[in-house]
Amino acid sequence: EIVLTQSPGTLSLSPGERATLSCRASQSVSSSFLAWYQQKPGQAPRLLFYGASSRATGIPDRFSGSGSGTDFTLTISRLEPEDFAVYYCQQYGSSLLTFGGGTKVEIK
Amino acid sequence: EVQLVQSGAEVKKPGESLKISCKGSGYSFTTYWIGWVRQMPGKGLEWMGVIYPGDSDTRYSPSFQGQVTISADKAISTAYMHWSTLKASDSAMYYCARLGLERRRWDPYYFDYWGQGTLVTVSS
Repeated sequence: EIVLTQSPGTLSLSPGERATLSCRASQSVSSSFLAWYQQKPGQAPRLLFYGASSRATGIPDRFSGSGSGTDFTLTISRLEPEDFAVYYCQQYGSSLLTFGGGTKVEIK
Repeated sequence: EVQLVQSGAEVKKPGESLKISCKGSGYSFTTYWIGWVRQMPGKGLEWMGVIYPGDSDTRYSPSFQGQVTISADKAISTAYMHWSTLKASDSAMYYCARLGLERRRWDPYYFDYWGQGTLVTVSS
C-alpha cells in the first residue's frame, strides 16, 4: 500500500497569499499517477488535478500541480475567498487506491 | 451533463441491514467504473471498492473486503453499496464517484465526478 502524507495539516493564510501544499508518498508513484481534490464543508470532493499537473476542466490557473516520484506539490498562487477548503491527494499508481490525510487551508 | 445522484440520509440501528444507491446519468453508465469512498466524521477519504456496471466486475480495498457488497443494475444506471449487519463504526458519509477512464480493464485511476454523498448514522 502506498501511504500518502500531506503537510502541513493546517495552513493559515490570508486572501491574496500563496499556498503551498505537500503530498509525500511512501514509495514512488508510477507515471506521476497522482490527483488532487478540493473539498468544501458539506460538499463532495472536486477534482483539481490528475497526472500530477494536468488541470481538470474549469479549474482556475491560479492553481498549479507539480512533482514526481515521491514528492508532489499543489500551489495556489493567490488565495481567493472560495479557495479556503480541505485538499486531498490521491495516488492511482497502484491497484490499491489511497488518499492522503488532507490539508486544511483556513483563513488567518 | 454527467451526474451521480445518491440516495438520502439513513439512520439505522446496529445489526440492521442497509443498501444505498448511486444513479448515474449524462454518460454511458455501463462503460465507466464506479467507486465508493468513505469519509468518517471529521476525517479523510478512504477508497472502498469499485464496480464495472457493464458486467458487475467488482474490486475491493482489503480494508473493506467482506464488510460491504457493491453491486449494480445497469438497466437503471444505478450502483449500490450494501451492508448486511451494520455497526456503529459504519457511521460515515459515503460517496460514489466515477473513475475518469472509459475502459473495461480494471486500471486504478482518479475520480472525475462525484455524487453528493449519503450520510449513514448507525446508533442504538
